[in-house]
Amino acid sequence: ILNVEQSPQSLHVQEGDSTNFTCSFPSSNFYALHWYRWETAKSPEALFVMTLNGDEKKKGRISATLNTKEGYSYLYIKGSQPEDSATYLCASRSGTYKYIFGTGTRLKVLA
Amino acid sequence: EAQVTQNPRYLITVTGKKLTVTCSQNMNHEYMSWYRQDPGLGLRQIYYSMNVEVTDKGDVPEGYKVSRKEKRNFPLILESPSPNQTSLYFCASSHGTENTEAFFGQGTRLTVV
Repeated sequence: ILNVEQSPQSLHVQEGDSTNFTCSFPSSNFYALHWYRWETAKSPEALFVMTLNGDEKKKGRISATLNTKEGYSYLYIKGSQPEDSATYLCASRSGTYKYIFGTGTRLKVLA
Repeated sequence: EAQVTQNPRYLITVTGKKLTVTCSQNMNHEYMSWYRQDPGLGLRQIYYSMNVEVTDKGDVPEGYKVSRKEKRNFPLILESPSPNQTSLYFCASSHGTENTEAFFGQGTRLTVV
């Protein structure tokens, strides 16, 4: 993989459902993987920065895992709420100070 | 309050008229970066700076210049804007190590006619 790819592009879930999405990134020369939450008309806000294979991070109902050997990270949201509606971005840094972003997963939580 | 401030927030300009978008951070961050966001594409890095007087090209540097004369400021310069530079621009800053989060500015929506 040369680019950062996120799936799905978008999804709608009901309030209370748990959901997860995927970020695939180049595994060679990996340095760090960032997750951001981006609400419409606002700026991206950092959720997690992950560097070690097997890393798991948690913030409230949101958690993330990292597999650097195979080049993927999962973001999980437990018990989705309408305020979780946003675009979730991941960005990979590998080898240099450059960052490559995925196109994001747009989440809509229906009340 | 820790923040990254971009100005202006909105700008409509004409082709060829030089413009500068300013970015300032108050967190003493070493690393600063400019991105552009276009529909259907992820944030694409234009230029980044690891510290004062140290800058390098990102993935889409053509048509842009930057400078880093002071740690807090990282202006983006469009010497001769063209319509394909119409976009939403974000400035971001972080500490220089790879395991720290980035803080983004509010964004600048630029239209070149």
